[in-house]
Amino acid sequence: TQLLEQSPQFLSIQEGENLTVYCNSSSVFSSLQWYRQEPGEGPVLLVTVVTGGEVKKLKRLTFQFGDARKDSSLHITAAQPGDTGLYLCAGAANYGGATNKLIFGTGTLLAVQP
Amino acid sequence: KAGVTQTPRYLIKTRGQQVTLSCSPISGHRSVSWYQQTPGQGLQFLFEYFSETQRNKGNFPGRFSGRQFSNSRSEMNVSTLELGDSALYLCASSPGGAAKNIQYFGAGTRLSVL
Repeated sequence: TQLLEQSPQFLSIQEGENLTVYCNSSSVFSSLQWYRQEPGEGPVLLVTVVTGGEVKKLKRLTFQFGDARKDSSLHITAAQPGDTGLYLCAGAANYGGATNKLIFGTGTLLAVQP
Repeated sequence: KAGVTQTPRYLIKTRGQQVTLSCSPISGHRSVSWYQQTPGQGLQFLFEYFSETQRNKGNFPGRFSGRQFSNSRSEMNVSTLELGDSALYLCASSPGGAAKNIQYFGAGTRLSVL
């Protein structure tokens, strides 16, 4: 069974602080996505990483895919209240296959206080 | 382009009843996946449909079923509802091809079973 563990589960910080969320697995994924979900809404895709060691930046967000494609991290610089939400990592479970099954991580609930 | 549309947004049912949820994917997307989200289990994959065929299935009992129509719209059915079926049901569509693992989610249907 492929599992994705995220840490921490909960994070409450002050505006302006930096933070890192981790997503770890013992399985290899062909790609990994990060989503953010706000209350009452579906997850919204933030980024997709596909190459081991890849680093992508999206404004104040930096995403990294581990060299072995088993783990990933999300770093937020100078967090703002608008960053509040549930952050989910998701790995593509069928390497080389045609299907779209995603394995979702356990989630990190982030609250940024003004 | 309109996003993924799920109807209804909220449903209240009683144990033993059955329910049908609907999902309209983004225009041009032929793959539709369904997920169940609960506080305890997180986001879990139910099944994926592509060109009216079920292409992948998660570990859910046979009470959970789905189908896809020729216009790519999809429905999900749950029969003999149990209290534990209370959850947010999310539908996601994907463009396929090189972007096959990128999924766009609807806002979900919140099902409460009493």
